[in-house]
Amino acid sequence: EPEVTQTPSHQVTQMGQEVILRCVPISNHLYFYWYRQILGQKVEFLVSFYNNEISEKSEIFDDQFSVERPDGSNFTLKIRSTKLEDSAMYFCASSGRDPGYYGYTFGSGTRLTVV
Amino acid sequence: AQSVAQPEDQVNVAEGNPLTVKCTYSVSGNPYLFWYVQYPNRGLQFLLKYITGDNLVKGSYGFEAEFNKSQTSFHLKKPSALVSDSALYFCAVRVFNQAGTALIFGKGTTLSVSS
Repeated sequence: EPEVTQTPSHQVTQMGQEVILRCVPISNHLYFYWYRQILGQKVEFLVSFYNNEISEKSEIFDDQFSVERPDGSNFTLKIRSTKLEDSAMYFCASSGRDPGYYGYTFGSGTRLTVV
Repeated sequence: AQSVAQPEDQVNVAEGNPLTVKCTYSVSGNPYLFWYVQYPNRGLQFLLKYITGDNLVKGSYGFEAEFNKSQTSFHLKKPSALVSDSALYFCAVRVFNQAGTALIFGKGTTLSVSS
């Protein structure tokens, strides 16, 4: 069964450093998403990406965040200057032609720890 | 605004007993509804979804959910709980034909099954 792959599984970074979280969505999917989950809390939507541009973003997704699909297979989330409160599990997801109808597939997540 | 409510932080049930994890939603159109499960230190795994048709949806691992439009609910059920069902369960919604395609998640319900 096709999978969404995320790397690394765990990243530790110092406050103020830039981090890039990487995702390889399912190859024929068209919609891509990033979510985050602060430890033990709800899963929060960050951003969706379609047709090489951001289609929606939440208020969490401020100027410190950016996304890119640099080569047609990878989908990255960059946090420019990390803060302690960015510590969370970050999930990538992708969906096909009709988002939701055919399901959303989530990766196993990257645990980001900012120290 | 679209929202999902999971009124119980935790549900405790004995192995072999039936379980119910509650979910209600508030959307302005027709919903796509989902249940995901998260085991400790793991990603989100898809359990089942309601798109249209039969109100009773069957999913993975013996779980099912019933869509009730009048009560705007989508409760997750299983006739006989297993200890291995202990995990964090998330209900999520997307509105059909809405411009936005992101899933909105509830805060999650921890299911604890005792032997």
